[in-house]
Amino acid sequence: AQTVTQSQPEMSVQEAETVTLSCTYDTSESDYYLFWYKQPPSRQMILVIRQEAYKQQNATENRFSVNFQKAAKSFSLKISDSQLGDAAMYFCAYSDNAGNMLTFGGGTRLMVKP
Amino acid sequence: ETGVTQTPRHLVMGMTNKKSLKCEQHLGHNAMYWYKQSAKKPLELMFVYSLEERVENNSVPSRFSPECPNSSHLFLHLHTLQPEDSALYLCASSLGLAGVRYTGELFFGEGSRLTVL
Repeated sequence: AQTVTQSQPEMSVQEAETVTLSCTYDTSESDYYLFWYKQPPSRQMILVIRQEAYKQQNATENRFSVNFQKAAKSFSLKISDSQLGDAAMYFCAYSDNAGNMLTFGGGTRLMVKP
Repeated sequence: ETGVTQTPRHLVMGMTNKKSLKCEQHLGHNAMYWYKQSAKKPLELMFVYSLEERVENNSVPSRFSPECPNSSHLFLHLHTLQPEDSALYLCASSLGLAGVRYTGELFFGEGSRLTVL
């Protein structure tokens, strides 16, 4: 079974600084999807960024980028120019491409200091 | 209007009550999910429906009973719950489960916060 591990329960960053959230996963598949989801306090979880394993290029979405290391099974999220609105729980998730369901990590709570 | 709507947002019930959680999606998706989110635990998948048919039941106790009358609506019927069932219950939808429409991306509702006394 696939597992997703987020080793940092909490992180904090100063506004305008850069922070990196870690995620590792375990799978025997070669083709799969990886995701970072954001869950603000009392608000719905939304997709931040997605990476397809067959793509070597790291995904980027504005201030959010990933460092995808397939051999190491590592998928970290970098948030540049952190903003107060980035404060949330961040979940790393894995899905194979056969329709099997998302497996989530335990989450990292990100605090942004003004 | 948000894509996935859950009601009620908060629910307090006794162990002998019967209540239901409702989820509605306005995205034209074919798959819907129930997840349980407890403090300090990863999200737990409970049920998955694709085109109104249940395709996954992750060993969930029978006191939780899902219902999917059509591809836009999903219910979670609750009866004789235990205090450890107190959690945030999240509904989600996706384009599909596999094949050309599969992207792996889920769209979530805001959740129903359940407290069992």
